[in-house]
Amino acid sequence: TQLLEQSPQFLSIQEGENLTVYCNSSSVFSSLQWYRQEPGEGPVLLVTVVTGGEVKKLKRLTFQFGDARKDSSLHITAAQPGDTGLYLCAGAPTGGFKTIFGAGTRLFVKA
Amino acid sequence: ETGVTQTPRHLVMGMTNKKSLKCEQHLGHNAMYWYKQSAKKPLELMFVYNFKEQTENNSVPSRFSPECPNSSHLFLHLHTLQPEDSALYLCASSQVAGVLGDNEQFFGPGTRLTVL
Repeated sequence: TQLLEQSPQFLSIQEGENLTVYCNSSSVFSSLQWYRQEPGEGPVLLVTVVTGGEVKKLKRLTFQFGDARKDSSLHITAAQPGDTGLYLCAGAPTGGFKTIFGAGTRLFVKA
Repeated sequence: ETGVTQTPRHLVMGMTNKKSLKCEQHLGHNAMYWYKQSAKKPLELMFVYNFKEQTENNSVPSRFSPECPNSSHLFLHLHTLQPEDSALYLCASSQVAGVLGDNEQFFGPGTRLTVL
């Protein structure tokens, strides 16, 4: 079974703190996506990483794709209450075409 | 309207009712998806349509019946549901399905379904 495991499952931090969440698999992925889902809404695509070792930045969010394309991380600098939400990673394993989703990391940033 | 829209946003139905969920995408995409999201569970893919043809049925019970009349519209017809079917039902679209392009999906806001 090809799985995307996300950790931690839940994270509660104070405004201004930094954090990193992880997305890991034993499979190689042609690309990985990160989404953020706010309560009562659908997931919103944040970024796609394609090349092993790639780093992408989106304001205070830094995304990294592992060299072997089996894992990815999302680092948030100086978290704000607006960052609160469910962060999902997703991807299609190499050789397969169906996108699979991780269970997500639920982030709560307290003001 | 822009992006992916879903109606209704909330639905409460009895186990003997028949109802339909509607999804419309305004992105010019050719693939559309239905997902089920239950509390504390990963997103579960239900159905995939590519160029109006169903390409994936992820062992979904027959009480859920999808319909895709064109590349912009997707329906999910519901009948004789069970309380455990209560969940957030999400529609998504992508450029195409079955190739790398299906990886970037754009989601609607979802329909919160409660089955009594």
